Amino acid sequence: GAVVSQHPSRVICKSGTSVKIECRSLDFQATTMFWYRQFPKQSLMLMATSNEGSKATYEQGVEKDKFLINHASLTLSTLTVTSAHPEDSSFYICSASALAGGPDEQFFGPGTRLTVL
Amino acid sequence: GESVGLHLPTLSVQEGDNSIINCAYSNSASDYFIWYKQESGKGPQFIIDIRSNMDKRQGQRVTVLLNKTVKHLSLQIAATQPGDSAVYFCAERIGGYGNKLVFGAGTILRVKS
Repeated sequence: GAVVSQHPSRVICKSGTSVKIECRSLDFQATTMFWYRQFPKQSLMLMATSNEGSKATYEQGVEKDKFLINHASLTLSTLTVTSAHPEDSSFYICSASALAGGPDEQFFGPGTRLTVL
Repeated sequence: GESVGLHLPTLSVQEGDNSIINCAYSNSASDYFIWYKQESGKGPQFIIDIRSNMDKRQGQRVTVLLNKTVKHLSLQIAATQPGDSAVYFCAERIGGYGNKLVFGAGTILRVKS
């Protein structure tokens, strides 16, 4: 089956620093990648939709200048949390949707646990 | 619909019994629905999906039922096993292929041995 990886799996950083999270589709090309955030005991909340070669579309309430998304190739999207603060501590999960004509489902990565001290 | 819950409902079942997890979705235009299983500290794992032109789909030990009239989705797990213990989320796709998913609030399934 299609595999999506994330790196790092967990990261601890100091308040005010920036953190980059990578999402890769390992065995398929992904036209679209999605970034979610999940707080403890809550559901996944979509942050943004990322299409290869174009600007990401952010959900309402998500600051695009704080959560920078780059989708430079059909297999890689990155999320950079800029000037991170403790309230940004969360579980960040990406998913990827294959090229048109592929399966309907989105394939999810294993998640990245971000802790901001 | 948009998930805002802070307290996930819990379903406790005895090992070997059948489990039924329910979900209400929000958008009558949603064309595709998926059930995911999430274990602690991991990403969602695909269980089963169904398109809006169907009302039932079966997999191995799992069945998804879709009632578009009342915008309701259910997941049935037969002969529940301890390894089925996890949080289960339904998700609806709005806008067709390649478009975003909206996740439900989730249900904790606890299987008692």
